[in-house]
Amino acid sequence: GNSVTQMEGPVTLSEEAFLTINCTYTATGYPSLFWYVQYPGEGLQLLLKATKADDKGSNKGFEATYRKETTSFHLEKGSVQVSDSAVYFCALNGNKLVFGAGTILRVKS
Amino acid sequence: DVKVTQSSRYLVKRTGEKVFLECVQDMDHENMFWYRQDPGLGLRLIYFSYDVKMKEKGDIPEGYSVSREKKERFSLILESASTNQTSMYLCASSYGTVNSNQPQHFGDGTRLSIL
Repeated sequence: GNSVTQMEGPVTLSEEAFLTINCTYTATGYPSLFWYVQYPGEGLQLLLKATKADDKGSNKGFEATYRKETTSFHLEKGSVQVSDSAVYFCALNGNKLVFGAGTILRVKS
Repeated sequence: DVKVTQSSRYLVKRTGEKVFLECVQDMDHENMFWYRQDPGLGLRLIYFSYDVKMKEKGDIPEGYSVSREKKERFSLILESASTNQTSMYLCASSYGTVNSNQPQHFGDGTRLSIL
């Protein structure tokens, strides 16, 4: 079946550092790929998405490119802020939404 | 903005009780979902519904049931609560077909403790 694997956290960075959170997937067909973010005490909210190979999703300085050849959808941001501290979930939507385990990001000032 | 509202943020119940978790969405979405979130396991789908009175099992339906009598409301029922059902429960809704590329919109979650 479909599955998503994320790098384990927590990831701890200083403010203005470069962020990469790795995500790889296994799927049949051509799923859509998503990154969701969960801030403390809140539900998940959509951060960005890509619906086909080579699409780049972007939002709030975050980017991720749908790489079919490496079955990856890594999340990147050039300069993180303390307010980016949250849990990040990679997900794919084939016949249903499948989530990775989540990666905790902590940004220190 | 889409609003998904879960009736309680925190809930404490006893083993063997029947527990109801309520979720309401205000955007006329066809699809509604219940997940549980546990550390290291991400989100796991319990049940979903793509129309009124319709329901489908997710990955971990055992010990749960659901009800969707109106389009905007989706209830999760723990028939006889057990301690291993202590978790964070998240409700979500989405537009279109279940397997479309439309995002899901989440409520803030209910943290349920079974004693």
